[in-house]
Amino acid sequence: QSALTQPASVSGSPGQSITISCTGTSSDVGSYNLVSWYQQHPGKAPKLMVYEGNKRPSGVSNRFSVSKSGNTASLTISGLQAEDEADYYCCSYAGSNSWVFGGGTKLTVL
Amino acid sequence: QVQLVESGGGVVQPGGSLRLSCAASGFTFSSYGMHWVRQTPGKGLEWVSFIKYDGSYQYADSVKGRFTISRDDSKNTLYLQMNSLRAEDTAVYYCAKDGRGWQFDYWGQGTLVTVSS
Repeated sequence: QSALTQPASVSGSPGQSITISCTGTSSDVGSYNLVSWYQQHPGKAPKLMVYEGNKRPSGVSNRFSVSKSGNTASLTISGLQAEDEADYYCCSYAGSNSWVFGGGTKLTVL
Repeated sequence: QVQLVESGGGVVQPGGSLRLSCAASGFTFSSYGMHWVRQTPGKGLEWVSFIKYDGSYQYADSVKGRFTISRDDSKNTLYLQMNSLRAEDTAVYYCAKDGRGWQFDYWGQGTLVTVSS
């Protein structure tokens, strides 16, 4: 159950797009289209942003989208806004009712 | 609206025990799986344990044999019994509702567990 690999930090200016990668293995990301992404602001609980491929909970902006290739999933945030500044975590189902998270990526909106 | 409220955190010595609770409301608790996820101070998230609506469960390797997850559907409450605690178990523990799409769709506010002598 090794953690998924995410970049420690990414940054972008308002209005730009950024992409956060999430690399796992053939046992997790590569085996299931069940990667979810969470946004966490300081001192707050994580919030589900995207799941099961490219589904978004009610109320989450369509500026958040995901893609996957092999063992790597990616979250793209388009039209960056100041409120998007937060930590982002990916998570993949890893089989046998177990899950694995990424190490998290700090997004800075310049 | 869905609400998850954790309690039971605190300071405990290495080797000690603690039981966390998560009171759920706003949904049919007995129909959903539930998770515990922890976050070490200033660091990332780690999935800890899952209990399905039917009572079957799973644990992360890091806690297997030391932690026990359970649920009381009559009380809409999730539990995590933590034994043989270690310094590396120090974290904020969140309970989270399983979204049936293999995601965590609602989270509590977390409860802090500190293992220290």
